[in-house]
Amino acid sequence: AQSVSQHNHHVILSEAASLELGCNYSYGGTVNLFWYVQYPGQHLQLLLKYFSGDPLVKGIKGFEAEFIKSKFSFNLRKPSVQWSDTAEYFCAVNAKSTGRRALTFGSGTRLQVQP
Amino acid sequence: GAVVSQHPSWVICKSGTSVKIECRSLDFQATTMFWYRQFPKQSLMLMATSNEGSKATYEQGVEKDKFLINHASLTLSTLTVTSAHPEDSSFYICSASQGNTNYGYTFGSGTRLTVV
Repeated sequence: AQSVSQHNHHVILSEAASLELGCNYSYGGTVNLFWYVQYPGQHLQLLLKYFSGDPLVKGIKGFEAEFIKSKFSFNLRKPSVQWSDTAEYFCAVNAKSTGRRALTFGSGTRLQVQP
Repeated sequence: GAVVSQHPSWVICKSGTSVKIECRSLDFQATTMFWYRQFPKQSLMLMATSNEGSKATYEQGVEKDKFLINHASLTLSTLTVTSAHPEDSSFYICSASQGNTNYGYTFGSGTRLTVV
């Protein structure tokens, strides 16, 4: 069964610091990859997604992620975080070839940006 | 963009009663709905997948007789927690998909269920 690992459970940064959140998945076939953000009290929102093509994906709010197939990774990055980026971030995977359409989520990373 | 409306946002019920949670796609047809459960500080765990007009497919360990899912139309899916117990207290989230996964997934805002 596929699984998703997010190794950083809680990250604290100062404003303007750079961010990189790790995401690794365990599935050998073709995957769709997603990063979602959940602000306090709000629903999950899509930051970016990768289906195919350019492995460097740009999303909303200045976020980007790079798919490295050889490392089974899809790390999220932002060059300069803002206080408003404080939220929970979830990496998710859908294994295309299994026919399973649901997403498998990582455990989430809580990002706290200090002003 | 696509919007999924989930109600109620929170509910408190007595042990032994049933609670129904609704999930509506407002501006698109959701051929597939997914129901997740999220425990505090943990990830979303898939409970079941439902296709419009078909029986839901439940994940291993999820009691289908306890968590009744109905997906009678392309815009509405419901999750009924029957004979709720305190251990059913959790955050329940629905997600809707239009077609193949390239359409992406839209999430509801979640329902906080507390069983007392």
